[in-house]
Amino acid sequence: QKEVEQDPGPLSVPEGAIVSLNCTYSNSAFQYFMWYRQYSRKGPELLMYTYSSGNKEDGRFTAQVDKSSKYISLFIRDSQPSDSATYLCAMSEEYGGSQGNLIFGKGTKLSVKP
Amino acid sequence: EAGVAQSPRYKIIEKRQSVAFWCNPISGHATLYWYQQILGQGPKLLIQFQNNGVVDDSQLPKDRFSAERLKGVDSTLKIQPAKLEDSAVYLCASSLGGNGFFGPGTRLTVL
Repeated sequence: QKEVEQDPGPLSVPEGAIVSLNCTYSNSAFQYFMWYRQYSRKGPELLMYTYSSGNKEDGRFTAQVDKSSKYISLFIRDSQPSDSATYLCAMSEEYGGSQGNLIFGKGTKLSVKP
Repeated sequence: EAGVAQSPRYKIIEKRQSVAFWCNPISGHATLYWYQQILGQGPKLLIQFQNNGVVDDSQLPKDRFSAERLKGVDSTLKIQPAKLEDSAVYLCASSLGGNGFFGPGTRLTVL
């Protein structure tokens, strides 16, 4: 079993839909959870990060962590065509540590249709 | 603020040939990372530098891959000789220590 599992999709939704992206993990020591967005032909860019369990909201984006279930989610409200990208989850054991310690999921390719 | 620069953006070579990639990090960023991202996968760390010293190269296939960061600024990643399975996007990232910024990557195709 890989440390981080992520459904690669592709996921296609109509504009305005609520999108739910998810990752599961096996390492209970993970404490630092991140979501990256990667547009085609570009490098990943950090979208949100959370520490331990709970929710974090930033505009149309909400990141949720459930450590008891080893499950993290990213919700996108009122999705826009500009949200079309691959979304990668990443996690590490140490909060604020080096990016080199991050374990990435495979990414979910999202397409938002006008 | 300029981002992480990488060149070339695309490279096509035949197996057993050599190839080199170049990365110029964000000014002042002491930490530099090279990642390999195979199609449909997340980035995998190959090597991490702190200034011009190697912090972690445990996942670098040292029989064919090498990297250097002279003077603690620019970095080059070399593959010699290339194999078909090296086809991937090679991403460079830099940081001040925590979360970093990725460059656009170099897409390598090995035929």
